[in-house]
Amino acid sequence: GESVGLHLPTLSVQEGDNSIINCAYSNSASDYFIWYKQESGKGPQFIIDIRSNMDKRQGQRVTVLLNKTVKHLSLQIAATQPGDSAVYFCAEEMRGGSEKLVFGKGTKLTVNP
Amino acid sequence: NAGVMQNPRHLVRRRGQEARLRCSPMKGHSHVYWYRQLPEEGLKFMVYLQKENIIDESGMPKERFSAEFPKEGPSILRIQQVVRGDSAAYFCASSGTSGSRGYEQYFGPGTRLTVT
Repeated sequence: GESVGLHLPTLSVQEGDNSIINCAYSNSASDYFIWYKQESGKGPQFIIDIRSNMDKRQGQRVTVLLNKTVKHLSLQIAATQPGDSAVYFCAEEMRGGSEKLVFGKGTKLTVNP
Repeated sequence: NAGVMQNPRHLVRRRGQEARLRCSPMKGHSHVYWYRQLPEEGLKFMVYLQKENIIDESGMPKERFSAEFPKEGPSILRIQQVVRGDSAAYFCASSGTSGSRGYEQYFGPGTRLTVT
């Protein structure tokens, strides 16, 4: 079975609010995690990544948090904009393997104006 | 710097025909990955190739599917005798071999295969 999953399939927020998208993983051997954004009809677009030796990483308007104790990953989007509406996937990569990515099923984020 | 290129973007095949999907990685990238995505689902890994070598094909169906990444030219994912269940979006990703961002996989726009 899949080792990466998401708690909520859909998330609806108001423009300007902060969004939090969650992800659980089960393989403790994974040491690299990535968040992707996929807009309708397009390929996944890299947002931010984090390695297992880190707890937090910040980008432009996005922050990824990694809690290895409970095997939980989250993506925080500050001041969510309509252009952020998309499906967000977390993915994990297992070091020492073939570097393939294991994706969760995705959370559909809808930003209401 | 062009991104990952995939063609065709849309492909319609009748049951029993062959489908050939092409992927040109980003310039300088020598690692190619193929993923399949069914509607409303996440991407599923199929195969990982480097130039002229298949590194990991653990996600490939045992029959009808094959992939190659020749020394020259794009990577090809070939599906023989397609069935309706093969209808999906097929994404290619590529990555480089070194650097702090060497692990990042860049995705192409995908090929949407429809089997009628």
